[in-house]
Amino acid sequence: GAGVSQTPSNKVTEKGKYVELRCDPISGHTALYWYRQSLGQGPEFLIYFQGTGAADDSGLPNDRFFAVRPEGSVSTLKIQRTERGDSAVYLCASSSTPLGFQFFGPGTRLTVL
Amino acid sequence: DAKTTQPPSMDCAEGRAANLPCNHSTISGNEYVYWYRQIHSQGPQYIIHGLKNNETNEMASLIITEDRKSSTLILPHATLRDTAVYYCIVLITGANSKLTFGKGITLSVRP
Repeated sequence: GAGVSQTPSNKVTEKGKYVELRCDPISGHTALYWYRQSLGQGPEFLIYFQGTGAADDSGLPNDRFFAVRPEGSVSTLKIQRTERGDSAVYLCASSSTPLGFQFFGPGTRLTVL
Repeated sequence: DAKTTQPPSMDCAEGRAANLPCNHSTISGNEYVYWYRQIHSQGPQYIIHGLKNNETNEMASLIITEDRKSSTLILPHATLRDTAVYYCIVLITGANSKLTFGKGITLSVRP
């Protein structure tokens, strides 16, 4: 497709389980961002990739969160030992330039029961 | 600390201009003003950005005051589809242009 895609669109899991969220950026975009959005709040930055490397992971809340982008395209956000407080919409964005206009995907809604 | 402040909500009539204000009194000389919007259940969408001069594109116009401490996003003829949360963001573009969103302003366009 032409835009950023994210799978799954919805994920329901139980407390303590492991989840993986996938992001397919726009082809050719070298910059990839993950954000998290809680109800009623604006998105919060989690991590930024330039190519394959995580250039800035300062937004990851703790070591249960990890993200990879092994081939510089698709990225996976991994959450271990999920907690109810991890429930949110996880947004992915990509960009072709180090400027502020990013293209966002529709998000993955994660619900931890 | 917040870099931008926006009123929580506003409304306007369909077909009229919607003027969305943003204060960024601590903006520095190399920071741009960006506007994004988020329609319900979708990801944010880039609208427009500017540094000093007023900007216009097919979606909107951006008016930045001379002292750059505030700006206004103008949707010239609002439609029902423009109902969304609008975010004003200031950032230095460069190697990592991570976006810092506030709560934004909820625009409701009424028929």
